[in-house]
Amino acid sequence: AAGVIQSPRHLIKEKRETATLKCYPIPRHDTVYWYQQGPGQDPQFLISFYEKMQSDKGSIPDRFSAQQFSDYHSELNMSSLELGDSALYFCASSPTLAGEQYFGPGTRLTVT
Amino acid sequence: KQEVTQIPAALSVPEGENLVLNCSFTDSAIYNLQWFRQDPGKGLTSLLLIQSSQREQTSGRLNASLDKSSGRSTLYIAASQPGDSATYLCAVNYGGATNKLIFGTGTLLAVQP
Repeated sequence: AAGVIQSPRHLIKEKRETATLKCYPIPRHDTVYWYQQGPGQDPQFLISFYEKMQSDKGSIPDRFSAQQFSDYHSELNMSSLELGDSALYFCASSPTLAGEQYFGPGTRLTVT
Repeated sequence: KQEVTQIPAALSVPEGENLVLNCSFTDSAIYNLQWFRQDPGKGLTSLLLIQSSQREQTSGRLNASLDKSSGRSTLYIAASQPGDSATYLCAVNYGGATNKLIFGTGTLLAVQP
């Protein structure tokens, strides 16, 4: 069965650089969520989209932005990267707004 | 504030034992609850989803129960195996406009051969 695809899987950036993370949801899933998991921490909600519209926003820095495109894939753009942005970034998709969430393998971002 | 806690933080058991992981949530008005497994540095694998109207869900050796009134869920693992070693996370969905998951801090399980 198709799963959530995230790219890249690993990304190394320097401070103050920009990063773009991509997420391809499971086909026919219309809802996408982004979560951030710092070292030794539980995942924290960043932002979500339903039918290409932002549905909710969590503790996401103003330096981060995201969108969902017409083909339902989503991109998380991160600018002015800081050391503290180093984390695993997960994308999840759901067939409905309140359905079970299926997580991708994550993108490990390292900021040096 | 909606919080999710898990106890114990870590658990070590010999192979073959049955075990129970606990999850507590402060706000009982949940929409659903998911249990996940996470291997070190890896992604989250959904194990079970329990809707607020359900009392329990079963998948193979796993059984999850939900008691909304007391704000608790348990994950029961029967006949544990070394391959079950991982971190187990529960996550609560309160529904509404967002449906974001609020995660617990996880239980690190080690099953000794």
